Amino acid sequence: DQQVKQNSPSLSVQEGRISILNCDYTNSMFDYFLWYKKYPAEGPTFLISISSIKDKNEDGRFTVFLNKSAKHLSLHIVPSQPGDSAVYFCAGATNKLIFGTGTLLAVQP
Amino acid sequence: ETGVTQSPTHLIKTRGQQVTLRCSSQSGHNTVSWYQQALGQGPQFIFQYYREEENGRGNFPPRFSGLQFPNYSSELNVNALELDDSALYLCASSLESVPYGYTFGSGTRLTVV
Repeated sequence: DQQVKQNSPSLSVQEGRISILNCDYTNSMFDYFLWYKKYPAEGPTFLISISSIKDKNEDGRFTVFLNKSAKHLSLHIVPSQPGDSAVYFCAGATNKLIFGTGTLLAVQP
Repeated sequence: ETGVTQSPTHLIKTRGQQVTLRCSSQSGHNTVSWYQQALGQGPQFIFQYYREEENGRGNFPPRFSGLQFPNYSSELNVNALELDDSALYLCASSLESVPYGYTFGSGTRLTVV
């Protein structure tokens, strides 16, 4: 039972353009949704979160949108930079984190 | 402020053996969670410890066990290792009053042969 799904295993974007990473969920009990960024040989690093009662949260170049009726969230990165190249995980939170399978973002210079 | 440190970074064990992985929490954090990340998958919740008591468990068999110590450091023990236990094991610490403020360590890469 995969409660959080990231259907795109990879995404390639040109530097300066927008990156949009998508995530779908089935569990309506999540209180928060979080995005993590992971480089090889490092642990996940927190990027941005959104409460289940909000529909948008913005932090610098990163914006997360939540569509509760569609059970869908997305992470927008504008403008994309080569240093953003990493694996991005979305996670739903109750008393634990339930992660998606990740999307590998490659930002081409 | 120190982050979460895990040891060892890499480990190779034989099927049937036992293994202990260690985690030092970020300073000030009193809650520790363990996750297993298999290749190509997202991290999966194993269990969480708060004030030395197990405070939630994922869908893992009893041969996965843990401890949290008074200084909030933690151990993950796995008995009777199986080939499918090969994975990256991640430790995350947090403050119980800030439940989603997890800080992850870099993980221990366990290979079972």
